[in-house]
Amino acid sequence: KAGVTQTPRYLIKTRGQQVTLSCSPISGHRSVSWYQQTPGQGLQFLFEYFSETQRNKGNFPGRFSGRQFSNSRSEMNVSTLELGDSALYLCASSGHDEQYFGPGTRLTVT
Amino acid sequence: QKEVEQNSGPLSVPEGAIASLNCTYSDRGSQSFFWYRQYSGKSPELIMFIYSNGDKEDGRFTAQLNKASQYVSLLIRDSQPSDSATYLCAVALKGGFKTIFGAGTRLFVKA
Repeated sequence: KAGVTQTPRYLIKTRGQQVTLSCSPISGHRSVSWYQQTPGQGLQFLFEYFSETQRNKGNFPGRFSGRQFSNSRSEMNVSTLELGDSALYLCASSGHDEQYFGPGTRLTVT
Repeated sequence: QKEVEQNSGPLSVPEGAIASLNCTYSDRGSQSFFWYRQYSGKSPELIMFIYSNGDKEDGRFTAQLNKASQYVSLLIRDSQPSDSATYLCAVALKGGFKTIFGAGTRLFVKA
């Protein structure tokens, strides 16, 4: 079974721009969650999508948004990028019990 | 109070010893408990998950959960240098996978 894939793996953007990250979950998994990981704040939950609906949401500003498609693939978007948005963005795919992470997208905002 | 607390370490153990990693959580509504291993520059890798009080064993790893004490631990038997990594404890509430992570414990296994 193929694992979780994320694209792109690396991204450099300028302050004020927007960015879209993509995640393809494990086949058969209907839940996709997004996390931000930084050295200072650790791993923080952004949101979870299940069957195209946002099921859970973390404490991030509205600049962070996401969606899920009928094939369970998910995208997250960050608008008006700030320097502090530089981080590793991780997507996690969940079946019934467990949650598996993708390799992540390293976003650098300059 | 942080929602999920772990000793940041580093925890250093000799090769072949038992490494004991601990975690406490604050929300009594927590339902699912996970241990992940993360090597530097890599994404977290799921080691184990546990839902019920007691022990759950998988190879060299044993997870222990005590909901009354709001405590979850991970034991690594016969520790190997390749086990050197950061271990993340994570807790999810009912109704999905909104998962709160601890800051992680760095483990060093000395050959």
